[in-house]
Amino acid sequence: AQSVTQLGSHVSVSEGALVLLRCNYSSSVPPYLFWYVQYPNQGLQLLLKYTTGATLVKGINGFEAEFKKSETSFHLTKPSAHMSDAAEYFCAVTPASGYSTLTFGKGTMLLVSP
Amino acid sequence: DAGVIQSPRHEVTEMGQEVTLRCKPISGHNSLFWYRQTMMRGLELLIYFNNNVPIDDSGMPEDRFSAKMPNASFSTLKIQPSEPRDSAVYFCASFGGGSDNEQFFGPGTRLTVL
Repeated sequence: AQSVTQLGSHVSVSEGALVLLRCNYSSSVPPYLFWYVQYPNQGLQLLLKYTTGATLVKGINGFEAEFKKSETSFHLTKPSAHMSDAAEYFCAVTPASGYSTLTFGKGTMLLVSP
Repeated sequence: DAGVIQSPRHEVTEMGQEVTLRCKPISGHNSLFWYRQTMMRGLELLIYFNNNVPIDDSGMPEDRFSAKMPNASFSTLKIQPSEPRDSAVYFCASFGGGSDNEQFFGPGTRLTVL
């Protein structure tokens, strides 16, 4: 079974500041990991994903995340926040082998102030 | 491709009425998922289909909820009778069988039961 913990239901940053959204997972098998973003009144959009290979993955809109197996983490970062980054962010996990559903975290709302 | 299509986008109904939500997955995708999103419980998987067959409906909250997928291009989620606690955003997502288990989400249906 898998689970995802996102630390902090809300994160506030100033425009231009570093964005760090935390995600820790639990999985009994090697995982695939995802970050989705949800803008107001919209569906979820894939931001980036880790499957195999390089542990530092780059996504859209300048976001990146690093898979750290020893820490069971997949934190999302962006060097400089933009007002348009204000949204809710979801981390998700699925087993790397075979087909399975995604297990989502509770989400973190990112607030960006001018 | 138009992506996952859901209708209606908004539904307001009165307690006790039947509600039907509709979803058209991405053409060629063989798996379809229904999720419910609320402030209290976050994103919950209700049911998913593979090749039009329900695989796991353990997330369906109670017998008032039912889902069907009569063909590869259409699915419905029905609530009968509806109750105020069913008010939520309902998302449909589809998956094309890729090795990474990435799901593509529709824009959601916002349901309000008065």
